[in-house]
Amino acid sequence: GEDVEQSLFLSVREGDSSVINCTYTDSSSTYLYWYKQEPGAGLQLLTYIFSNMDMKQDQRLTVLLNKKDKHLSLRIADTQTGDSAIYFCAESRGNTPLVFGKGTRLSVIA
Amino acid sequence: DGGITQSPKYLFRKEGQNVTLSCEQNLNHDAMYWYRQDPGQGLRLIYYSQIVNDFQKGDIAEGYSVSREKKESFPLTVTSAQKNPTAFYLCASRRRGDYNEQFFGPGTRLTVL
Repeated sequence: GEDVEQSLFLSVREGDSSVINCTYTDSSSTYLYWYKQEPGAGLQLLTYIFSNMDMKQDQRLTVLLNKKDKHLSLRIADTQTGDSAIYFCAESRGNTPLVFGKGTRLSVIA
Repeated sequence: DGGITQSPKYLFRKEGQNVTLSCEQNLNHDAMYWYRQDPGQGLRLIYYSQIVNDFQKGDIAEGYSVSREKKESFPLTVTSAQKNPTAFYLCASRRRGDYNEQFFGPGTRLTVL
């Protein structure tokens, strides 16, 4: 199948903003998700956005969606060391399995 | 508490042995999934099941088998035919429908010696 693309690594200083980008493939995707994975653990849903929205904000998290370019981003404000993890974007295509990107490893430098 | 359990957390097996990984959910979800995770590879779908007594191959099903005899259980067997079985295995479940959060278990790390 076609891939969801993410850059593999991002490094930021504590207190700065982090922006993690994702390019998805299916213009008919209805929901797009961001998951967080801490070392040795499963994935946890951070946030999601419906495809008819441009932006969604949830405390320190802001999701931006550009449907024309099939581009999704996750901004984490005031990044903390506890935000160090792997972040996955995923797209939903109805009842078929979610399609995940390869994940972006975020490293936060104190 | 509702959730997904995977056992054991760590599993060691000798080469050539079959091994079964357990996945149980009490969320009353219809769909269940198995993923394999290797460093830098993201999640790769092994098998999934949308309903009891039915399952479909994912992208990397060769060398694996599953069963779905009960709604709450979806065990994965890693057979001796799987050439490189050492990996982190994640189970997930989801209610059917376009938007529904996919929940993940804590994972099982399988090491084949």
